[in-house]
Parts: sequence; structure tokens; C-alpha cells
Amino acid sequence: EDQVTQSPEALRLQEGESSSLNCSYTVSGLRGLFWYRQDPGKGPEFLFTLYSAGEEKEKERLKATLTKKESFLHITAPKPEDSATYLCAVQYSNDYKLSFGAGTTVTVRA
Amino acid sequence: DAGVIQSPRHEVTEMGQEVTLRCKPISGHNSLFWYRQTMMRGLELLIYFNNNVPIDDSGMPEDRFSAKMPNASFSTLKIQPSEPRDSAVYFCASSPGLSSEQFFGPGTRLTVL
Repeated sequence: EDQVTQSPEALRLQEGESSSLNCSYTVSGLRGLFWYRQDPGKGPEFLFTLYSAGEEKEKERLKATLTKKESFLHITAPKPEDSATYLCAVQYSNDYKLSFGAGTTVTVRA
Repeated sequence: DAGVIQSPRHEVTEMGQEVTLRCKPISGHNSLFWYRQTMMRGLELLIYFNNNVPIDDSGMPEDRFSAKMPNASFSTLKIQPSEPRDSAVYFCASSPGLSSEQFFGPGTRLTVL
């Protein structure tokens, strides 16, 4: 069964302390890998789509990268407003559904 | 621009009652997805439609769950009869196409007593 695993489960950072989140997936034909941000009580908010190994996308303090087995979401010099749960989702080439990881909850302290 | 609209935002009902959740996708989007989110199981896809046609309903947990999309601007998810284990947040998402990024609504928090 295709699986998506995110680590760590939780991450506590000091403001300005850069870090990375990991999303690993079983390799069975990737159509696309998606990153979302979810704030408490809200729906997931789309951040990035990555399609092939070596691809990178950036938005403000966030940068997503993709290899053949995993993706990283780098948070550079985070601010308290970056506190959220970050979800990774994979779409495999034999299907159109998104398989979501459990998420990484990031807390940034001022 | 209006995003995905869901109603109601909160629903509290008693076991055995019928529950209907509603979704209005983003105008122009051809694909619509229903998800359920719980602490134990995370985000799970229930069913998705393309051009108003159900494509895959393998995630629907039981026959008590049904979904319809009568037109491009409206979809419903119905649970009949509801059970306490159905308590969760239900999200609707839409996308321009099946392989495109999905945009989520605010969700409906369902509590079945």
C-alpha cells in the first residue's frame, strides 16, 4: 500500500531558527507531490506542487524540494505567523486521489 | 474571489438522524473531492467527481454514506443514519482538473451524539 510519512510530528522553533520538514513516500510512480498549510479550525491551504526530482519551489520563507524518495520543506528564518500544521500529499500515476501524511505541527516562538 | 463554500460550518445531531453536508466549488473547477479529517486517521479521501460524474467512491466507509453532484456548482454528502463514529471534520475541495492542486473549503465539523 502506498504510504506517505512525515517527520518530525512536531517542531518547536525560536523565531529566526531555520529548519526542515521531511515527507517520504513509497516509490510507485509519482504524478505530483503537494504541500499544504493548515491552521487550527481551517481547511488546508495550498502551498506548492512538485512534479519531478530536482524540482524546487519557493514562497516567502518556505522552499520545497523533491528527490526520488522524499520531499523537504525548508523554513528559513521563521516568524510566529509561520506556526501551523504542514501537510504533504502524494498523487500517484495510477490514480488521482491525494494520499496525505499525518502532518508536522510547527510552533515558532517570538 | 470566493473560494470553496461549505455549509453548515457546524452540525450537532443525534445518532440515527440524517445529515446532509453541502459544498459549492470554485467556479470553473471541473473536479470536486470530499475528505474526512480525524485525529486518529488524518485526512482521508471519501469520493471524488470529475465533470459532475463520480469517479472513485472507494473511500466511502459504508453504505450509510452517499454523495451527489447534480450540477457543476453544487454537491452534497449525506449520512443516513448517522453514528457517533462519524464525528469528524468534513472538507470539500475543488480543482481545475484531476491532476491539479486542490483548494479546500473551511470544513463542516460534525458531532454525532
